[in-house]
Order: sequence, then structure tokens, then C-alpha cells
Amino acid sequence: DAGITQSPRYKITETGRQVTLMCHQTWSHSYMFWYRQDLGHGLRLIYYSAAADITDKGEVPDGYVVSRSKTENFPLTLESATRSQTSVYFCASSPSSRGGQDEQYFGPGTRLTVT
Amino acid sequence: LAKTTQPISMDSYEGQEVNITCSHNNIATNDYITWYQQFPSQGPRFIIQGYKTKVTNEVASLFIPADRKSSTLSLPRVSLSDTAVYYCLVGDRVGNTPLVFGKGTRLSVIA
Repeated sequence: DAGITQSPRYKITETGRQVTLMCHQTWSHSYMFWYRQDLGHGLRLIYYSAAADITDKGEVPDGYVVSRSKTENFPLTLESATRSQTSVYFCASSPSSRGGQDEQYFGPGTRLTVT
Repeated sequence: LAKTTQPISMDSYEGQEVNITCSHNNIATNDYITWYQQFPSQGPRFIIQGYKTKVTNEVASLFIPADRKSSTLSLPRVSLSDTAVYYCLVGDRVGNTPLVFGKGTRLSVIA
């Protein structure tokens, strides 16, 4: 299907485990983003990528790792999950005609619970 | 990145026009103003974007005064389905400064 998808939609994991959240977009957008959303904090940027093999930290990158070997995929890995990483994670993509100011298209989100 | 300030919440009755104002005193010359809408359990959705004066689309209008230090999102004749969180985003330059959505304005539309 066209668009931006995230998997899994729901995930429960234990403290200390590694978990990877997947994001896939079919538009060939240059920019991709990962956000987390917690009650009382709104959306906070974790990492972003301007193109394949180009990534940079956002507002809250600690504890997360990203990679982007292909334009369409932007996985987010929690190397050793902690309870504070329990959150809803949103992936987004955007074309790049005006740097980062283009419309962002968001995925449906992944609800992650770390026990 | 220009920080934004918007009301935490607003209530409105169905059929009324709703205006949500966002303050962004430190907006830079090249910055755009963008509004997103987020329904519960969904990702945010782009509503409208503007640089100056007025922009209108099928969903909303965006009013930006000459000094660009604030902007107002106007939703005409809201319905219950407009109940959502609305985010004002200014100067989302990707580069040295992180993107900041903030906490948004929670709009509740009452029948």
C-alpha cells in the first residue's frame, strides 16, 4: 500500500531488551523523522534523516539508534529498553524542496510498553 | 528555532468559528508557520502553512500579521469531529536546531 507504515503497531518488551521499530514510506521522500509522544510533553523529535546514510540527532536521542541504508526505510532501535522509553512513537516523512519546512506525513504510530 | 506559545486548551460549541492564536516572537526571516491537527490515537496531520498575510484552504484559514510575531488558525463552523489537538510549528529548519512541535492546543467541541 502507498504511504507511510509503521510496524509493529503495539509492542510490549522487558527492560534491557533490544527492540526495533520499523518505518517504511513509498513516496521516496528525502526526509524521515522519528518522534515520541508522551502525556504532557507533546511530540519530541528523536532522530531525523535528510537522505539515505545521513542521520542527525533531535531533541531526545539518548538511548536510541537509527540507520537509513535505503531511502524508504528508517528503523529506530532501542538498544537496551528502559521504562522511561514507554511511549507512542511516530515516524514521519517529508519531501525536501524547502529544507525541513515541507509538510510532514505521519505514520499511524507504534505504542511501546517497557515492563 | 522560534519557540511558540499557544493556549493549552479551548472549548467551543458546534457551528461556531474557532480562532487559535500562536505567539512566536523570535521568528526568523526564512521561517514558515505550519499548523497540524492530531486526533486521538493517530499521527498529526498537516492543516495549513503560510509565510505572511492570509492563507485559506478547504479546512482552515491562517492569518499572519505584518510583524509575523503571531499567527491565528481559524476553523469555520466547527463540528464535533474537529475535536483534536492543534500544533503550531514555526521555523522547522532541519539542521542545527531540532524540530519542536510543543504541546499544542486541545480543542474540545461541544454539541
